[in-house]
Amino acid sequence: ELKVEQNPLFLSMQEGKNYTIYCNYSTTSDRLYWYRQDPGKSLESLFVLLSNGAVKQEGRLMASLDTKARLSTLHITAAVHDLSATYFCAVDNRYSGGGADGLTFGKGTHLIIQP
Amino acid sequence: SQTIHQWPATLVQPVGSPLSLECTVEGTSNPNLYWYRQAAGRGLQLLFYSVGIGQISSEVPQNLSASRPQDRQFILSSKKLLLSDSGFYLCAWNPGGRNEKLFFGSGTQLSVL
Repeated sequence: ELKVEQNPLFLSMQEGKNYTIYCNYSTTSDRLYWYRQDPGKSLESLFVLLSNGAVKQEGRLMASLDTKARLSTLHITAAVHDLSATYFCAVDNRYSGGGADGLTFGKGTHLIIQP
Repeated sequence: SQTIHQWPATLVQPVGSPLSLECTVEGTSNPNLYWYRQAAGRGLQLLFYSVGIGQISSEVPQNLSASRPQDRQFILSSKKLLLSDSGFYLCAWNPGGRNEKLFFGSGTQLSVL
């Protein structure tokens, strides 16, 4: 069974600081996704990482993928209040060995950035 | 461009009542369609997915069922709701090819009382 674990699950930080969210997964995969969810809202795609060593950046967020370590990171640089949200990583089920479709999500990291 | 519609946005239902949530996708054909549930503190759980009309795969045993009567329509149903069915239900789609991310609907907040 494919397992996706994020940490931390909850993070409170001050504006201007840097921090990293970690996503570990239990099976071989060369595709990993990061999503953002605002309270009461749907999920918005942030990054799609398609190969080992992939790095993508959008504004103050940067995501990377190490398929050998089965680890992805989401790094936040000089955080601002608008980045407060819950961030999910997800791995493609088709690599879980069971042939299932869809994505398996981590539990999410609830990020609060205080002024 | 493609859009996904999901309704209703909010639903309050008594235990034992039926359920029908609908999701439609516009601007594409033969999408893969998915139903996820987000329960408090538990992340997103894949409930059903469909790769074509009438083709439904269930990921977890439960009190719910899904149907795909048309190419771009995906329906989540229950004959009798349980308290444990409460949660935030999200419909999603992708074109079905490799490397394709999911696009999510706006979600339905279901409260079973």
